[in-house]
Amino acid sequence: DAGVTQSPTHLIKTRGQQVTLRCSPKSGHDTVSWYQQALGQGPQFIFQYYEEEERQRGNFPDRFSGHQFPNYSSELNVNALLLGDSALYLCASSLGGQGGQPQHFGDGTRLSIL
Amino acid sequence: GDSVTQMEGPVTLSEEAFLTINCTYTATGYPSLFWYVQYPGEGLQLLLKATKADDKGSNKGFEATYRKETTSFHLEKGSVQVSDSAVYFCALRWNYGQNFVFGPGTRLSVLP
Repeated sequence: DAGVTQSPTHLIKTRGQQVTLRCSPKSGHDTVSWYQQALGQGPQFIFQYYEEEERQRGNFPDRFSGHQFPNYSSELNVNALLLGDSALYLCASSLGGQGGQPQHFGDGTRLSIL
Repeated sequence: GDSVTQMEGPVTLSEEAFLTINCTYTATGYPSLFWYVQYPGEGLQLLLKATKADDKGSNKGFEATYRKETTSFHLEKGSVQVSDSAVYFCALRWNYGQNFVFGPGTRLSVLP
């Protein structure tokens, strides 16, 4: 039973570029959440997708956008990259639209901005 | 808004020592509380959770009790091992939503 898988594992970009990160949820899960974890800090919630729509959003600018596909996989897009976007980006999946369900995290994509 | 505070690290202990990592939260109401662990180069793994006041979560020798009177969820283990070296995150989550609010993390190093 595959867990949450993220790709790529590492990525290097320069300021102003755009990046797309991908996430495949755990088998049977239909909800995907994205988090940003800066070095030495706890993860910060970016947004959550359910039924191909953004359901909740944290305090992140519009440069951060996402998408969920019919197979429940998801993408995180970041435009006009800034040095401060350097972080580990974590994807978490869960089942169902109701709260209280456990979330499973992937190993993350480490994004470095030069 | 909601927030989670943890004791600052790093925490360095000898093998078989007793561990306590303090966690307090600020929230209106009674969220579910969690401890996650992150090993080097990996994502987060759920360690234990408690969904209501006075609940005790436990797993792999770790324990934490949900104390609403002190808004705390301190993590404890009676005898740590070298393999417990990791970063530990305390978090809260509301039952009507699914996003977590994480603390800043506490790095634990256990020496042989």
